[in-house]
Amino acid sequence: DAKTTQPPSMDCAEGRAANLPCNHSTISGNEYVYWYRQIHSQGPQYIIHGLKNNETNEMASLIITEDRKSSTLILPHATLRDTAVYYCIVRVAGSEKLVFGKGTKLTVNP
Amino acid sequence: GAVVSQHPSWVICKSGTSVKIECRSLDFQATTMFWYRQFPKQSLMLMATSNEGSKATYEQGVEKDKFLINHASLTLSTLTVTSAHPEDSSFYICSASHRDPLSYEQYFGPGTRLTVT
Repeated sequence: DAKTTQPPSMDCAEGRAANLPCNHSTISGNEYVYWYRQIHSQGPQYIIHGLKNNETNEMASLIITEDRKSSTLILPHATLRDTAVYYCIVRVAGSEKLVFGKGTKLTVNP
Repeated sequence: GAVVSQHPSWVICKSGTSVKIECRSLDFQATTMFWYRQFPKQSLMLMATSNEGSKATYEQGVEKDKFLINHASLTLSTLTVTSAHPEDSSFYICSASHRDPLSYEQYFGPGTRLTVT
């Protein structure tokens, strides 16, 4: 079973920051938080992952709370092409499995 | 970046026939490959995990005799849906990983849409 909770849908205006929350209150100390997204009828795309520190790459930023029970994915300047289902996944260190939950459907509006 | 391909991208077959789907890692050697299934408006469900040269590990509820997985090399895994039925119609997605102690990632293929008539 997925160990994360996400809102089913969110809307964001083009050009604005999209902040996608994820709750993982049962996360353990050796579990990583991963974010993937899936554009309609395509395979998932890796976005970012982290353990306890905040992370940033060319696609997004990942903010993990100090108690690690929740995180936020930030797309700094959302575009129409960012419309997708975003999955927050907790992965146990040493395990290669990714268990997908229902994700958040993000719609970026013009 | 790492690229994973799938072939075919879509296939239509008749009930009772078998269909083979290929998954290839194009620019890296995949120590492990995964097969997922996704029904419309649902999330991805992991079907099985395969390591090169060994038998696949199937998730609970997935019939190993119906979904045959072969991982003959570090760049190729195949999924064969045997005696397909309409309820097997789905979007099948593979992914591949290579062990990197600093940054584990799974790279996903574009998916194969199977329709069984």
